[in-house]
Amino acid sequence: KQEVTQIPAALSVPEGENLVLNCSFTDSAIYNLQWFRQDPGKGLTSLLLIQSSQREQTSGRLNASLDKSSGRSTLYIAASQPGDSATYLCAVIGTGNQFYFGTGTSLTVIP
Amino acid sequence: EADIYQTPRYLVIGTGKKITLECSQTMGHDKMYWYQQDPGMELHLIHYSYGVNSTEKGDLSSESTVSRIRTEHFPLTLESARPSHTSQYLCASSEYGGQSGYGYTFGSGTRLTVV
Repeated sequence: KQEVTQIPAALSVPEGENLVLNCSFTDSAIYNLQWFRQDPGKGLTSLLLIQSSQREQTSGRLNASLDKSSGRSTLYIAASQPGDSATYLCAVIGTGNQFYFGTGTSLTVIP
Repeated sequence: EADIYQTPRYLVIGTGKKITLECSQTMGHDKMYWYQQDPGMELHLIHYSYGVNSTEKGDLSSESTVSRIRTEHFPLTLESARPSHTSQYLCASSEYGGQSGYGYTFGSGTRLTVV
């Protein structure tokens, strides 16, 4: 069974810093990888979707990369802002069209 | 603008009551899902559907049931609510065939409290 791990579990940074969130998965036979943001008590908001044939996707201050062979993805956030404070989840979709979620990284950006 | 809608947003209900959580999407997606998430914890898949008249149980054992009579509608029902059902319930949808490059779209969730 696919296992998805996110490190670190929690991260606190001062405003303006660039930061990297990590996601690793055990089975490299994936179709897509998706990064989400979740605010407390809310649903998930999709940030970036990377297809298996792609190596990275960018949206504004966010950049996500994918290395299938090593089972890793990173989410890079440039010039962090207090509004970026949330939990960030990665999810991989593999054989059987099943999504597997990571445990999340809780990010706090300090003004 | 949300393309997947969950109602109610919050629900407080007494033990033993029957409840239905509503989920509707306007994107014509084939696949729909229900996840359960306790505060600060990971998501657990409880039900999913590949299309009309298709329903499957997920990884987490659940006392709830689902139905899929219309593509756009995927309600979740608890016949007799208990305090252990207190949680957040998240509905999601996706195009059939993840390899086509489509990801998940989530609703805003229903926070259920059973007293």
